[in-house]
Amino acid sequence: DAKTTQPPSMDCAEGRAANLPCNHSTISGNEYVYWYRQIHSQGPQYIIHGLKNNETNEMASLIITEDRKSSTLILPHATLRDTAVYYCIVRGWNAGNNRKLIWGLGTSLAVNP
Amino acid sequence: DTGVSQDPRHKITKRGQNVTFRCDPISEHNRLYWYRQTLGQGPEFLTYFQNEAQLEKSRLLSDRFSAERPKGSFSTLEIQRTEQGDSAMYLCASSLEGGEETQYFGPGTRLLVL
Repeated sequence: DAKTTQPPSMDCAEGRAANLPCNHSTISGNEYVYWYRQIHSQGPQYIIHGLKNNETNEMASLIITEDRKSSTLILPHATLRDTAVYYCIVRGWNAGNNRKLIWGLGTSLAVNP
Repeated sequence: DTGVSQDPRHKITKRGQNVTFRCDPISEHNRLYWYRQTLGQGPEFLTYFQNEAQLEKSRLLSDRFSAERPKGSFSTLEIQRTEQGDSAMYLCASSLEGGEETQYFGPGTRLLVL
């Protein structure tokens, strides 16, 4: 089972920031938080990942709470092309050979004009 | 484009036929993963390779499914005697062993079994 919970859907106005929450209360010390998104009928696209520090790249920012039990993905200026299902995934990097990603249902983000 | 590629992108077949999908990973990536995704669900892990060795298989991978990665580069996923329940998007991802090891996905192969 997925180790994360996300709201099933969210709306955002074009040009505004989209803040997507994720709860991962059972995360352990060696587990990273990964975010992917999937635009309709396409393969998942990697967005960002982090361990405990906040991270930023050209696509988004990831804010992880100090206790690491939750995180927020921020799309600073959402566009219509950001409409997609966003998945938050917890995965250890020191888990032997088991590196599979376990996916939940994600958050369906609709960016409205 | 040096990303993960999959072929074909779409496949329609009749129940009982065999189908084969191909995945070409990012060239320096030594790990390759197959996932399956049905409508409205997140992807589900099927199997993964490290170089040419198949190191894990999900219980979802019935005897009708077989995957290979003969030279540690491209991989094939074959489904024999397809059933309507096999209709899904089949996704391939690759990663470079070590460190944080991000998986990068291909566009997927959408299979429809009639």
